Amino acid sequence: QQQVKQSPQSLIVQKGGISIINCAYENTAFDYFPWYQQFPGKGPALLIAIRPDVSEKKEGRFTISFNKSAKQFSLHIMDSQPGDSATYFCAAVVDRGSTLGRLYFGRGTQLTVWP
Amino acid sequence: GAVVSQHPSRVICKSGTSVKIECRSLDFQATTMFWYRQFPKKSLMLMATSNEGSKATYEQGVEKDKFLINHASLTLSTLTVTSAHPEDSSFYICSARDESTGTANTGELFFGEGSRLTVL
Repeated sequence: QQQVKQSPQSLIVQKGGISIINCAYENTAFDYFPWYQQFPGKGPALLIAIRPDVSEKKEGRFTISFNKSAKQFSLHIMDSQPGDSATYFCAAVVDRGSTLGRLYFGRGTQLTVWP
Repeated sequence: GAVVSQHPSRVICKSGTSVKIECRSLDFQATTMFWYRQFPKKSLMLMATSNEGSKATYEQGVEKDKFLINHASLTLSTLTVTSAHPEDSSFYICSARDESTGTANTGELFFGEGSRLTVL
């Protein structure tokens, strides 16, 4: 059972365009939603994260939009660059107690930015 | 920032041998580390949660005797793939939590660079 559903599976965007990746979850106990960027042959690296008490978080060209009532969150990459080409994973975690740090990952989105 | 180091980054072994992968938190202590397995173009699958000073907690379907985890210190967890077979070939990734950051019950998770295991 996929705890976090991610779409699209792959995304092709022209340089300078906006890349949008969507995720949805069911477990309302989740209280921390990070996004990870992974390059081939490398481990995931934290890109940006949000908690459900805010609806949006922006860091540079990366923005998370969070809709608590719809149980959805999305990553927007503005002015997409070829160097952004990577696999992006959304994740969710119940960030307390015995499950502290236990991430549930989406299936990933392969982003390709054409120059 | 905090760094998690994995070693080796690549290992090739013969079928039937055992392989040990180390995961170290370089500048912070981690009472909990996580081991993931990732197949090509797939998501990360949590294998087990490694707890310093106690037994690891394995996810359903993961063989404890096959994937031995030892968390001997606050900066080191090891994953040993015993009697490896070609189907064990995969990308293994660990993560550790820097519990000194953030507020209570939070903390950023850092991932290692991963270890590519190929079993011939």
